[in-house]
Amino acid sequence: QKEVEQDPGPLSVPEGAIVSLNCTYSNSAFQYFMWYRQYSRKGPELLMYTYSSGNKEDGRFTAQVDKSSKYISLFIRDSQPSDSATYLCAMSGGNTGKLIFGQGTTLQVKP
Amino acid sequence: DTAVSQTPKYLVTQMGNDKSIKCEQNLGHDTMYWYKQDSKKFLKIMFSYNNKELIINETVPNRFSPKSPDKAHLNLHINSLELGDSAVYFCASATSQGRDYTFGSGTRLTVV
Repeated sequence: QKEVEQDPGPLSVPEGAIVSLNCTYSNSAFQYFMWYRQYSRKGPELLMYTYSSGNKEDGRFTAQVDKSSKYISLFIRDSQPSDSATYLCAMSGGNTGKLIFGQGTTLQVKP
Repeated sequence: DTAVSQTPKYLVTQMGNDKSIKCEQNLGHDTMYWYKQDSKKFLKIMFSYNNKELIINETVPNRFSPKSPDKAHLNLHINSLELGDSAVYFCASATSQGRDYTFGSGTRLTVV
């Protein structure tokens, strides 16, 4: 069993839709939770960073962490074609900075 | 521009060759990493250096040897390249506490 599970998709939605992306994990030592966006042939760029359970909002993006269920989510409101990318969840515990990634979900937002 | 930069962006080489990928960061970070992304987009850590000292060495074949001449540079040398080494290799840097994680744009290695 992988430490972090993420549905690879692909996920296709119409412009303006609300998108929900999810990851589950098995290691209760994870303390830091991140969402990265990766455009084709580019490096991952950090979208959201959360430490504790709860919600964190940044513009159209909301990250949600439920440590008791070992479940994290990223919501994208009013999705745009420019949101079309692969979204990777990542987690870490301890202080080595080692990130464990999910497989990534490919999202396409159609105009 | 403040960034993590890697060279080359693309590398096509024959099996058995030796090649190097270079990485530099000007973010003032203490820690640098190498990650490998396979054809299914799965990213996995390979190595990490903190201030020139190796702190993470995952189960990577010893044909892969990282070298950090100073805390702003982390290079990756690969000996006797194999077909299975074909992937995108990403360099990243972060603070000692693992914050402000920044990735380079990747080196696409193709072994033929």
